[in-house]
Amino acid sequence: KQEVTQIPAALSVPEGENLVLNCSFTDSAIYNLQWFRQDPGKGLTSLLLIQSSQREQTSGRLNASLDKSSGRSTLYIAASQPGDSATYLCAIRTGANNLFFGTGTRLTVIP
Amino acid sequence: NAGVTQTPKFRILKIGQSMTLQCTQDMNHNYMYWYRQDPGMGLKLIYYSVGAGITDKGEVPNGYNVSRSTTEDFPLRLELAAPSQTSVYFCASSYSTGSSGNTIYFGEGSWLTVV
Repeated sequence: KQEVTQIPAALSVPEGENLVLNCSFTDSAIYNLQWFRQDPGKGLTSLLLIQSSQREQTSGRLNASLDKSSGRSTLYIAASQPGDSATYLCAIRTGANNLFFGTGTRLTVIP
Repeated sequence: NAGVTQTPKFRILKIGQSMTLQCTQDMNHNYMYWYRQDPGMGLKLIYYSVGAGITDKGEVPNGYNVSRSTTEDFPLRLELAAPSQTSVYFCASSYSTGSSGNTIYFGEGSWLTVV
């Protein structure tokens, strides 16, 4: 069974800093990896999806990388803003039926 | 474009009661899913559907039932509610399977407490 780990569980940074969130997984046989954002009391919003054949995806200040051989993905956030404060979840799809989710990293950007 | 809509947002149930969580999507997606999210845990798949009339169990299906009579709707029924079913429930949908790289869209969640 795929195990997905996100460390750290929580992270606080001052506004303007660049930061990296980590996601590791145990089985490299994946279809894709997706990064989500979850605001308190809200559902999940998809940020970036990296297919198995890709190495990275970029959207604005966000850049996600994928290294299947090492079972790792990172989400890089440039020039962080208070509005980036949220919980960030990574999820691995290993088949048609399921996404395996990590437990998330709660990010706080301090003004 | 409403996306994925879940109701109710909050509900308190007594042990042994039954209820249905409603989910509808207006994106003409084939695939729909129900997840639960417990504090400090990742989301776990309860049931999923690949199209109208087709449903299948996920990782944690016990105590739940689903139906998919239309493309748009995918209700989740809790029979004989138990405290272990206290959780946040998320409905989600996608156009196709993840193998084609399609994004999955989530509803805003339903907070359920069983007392």
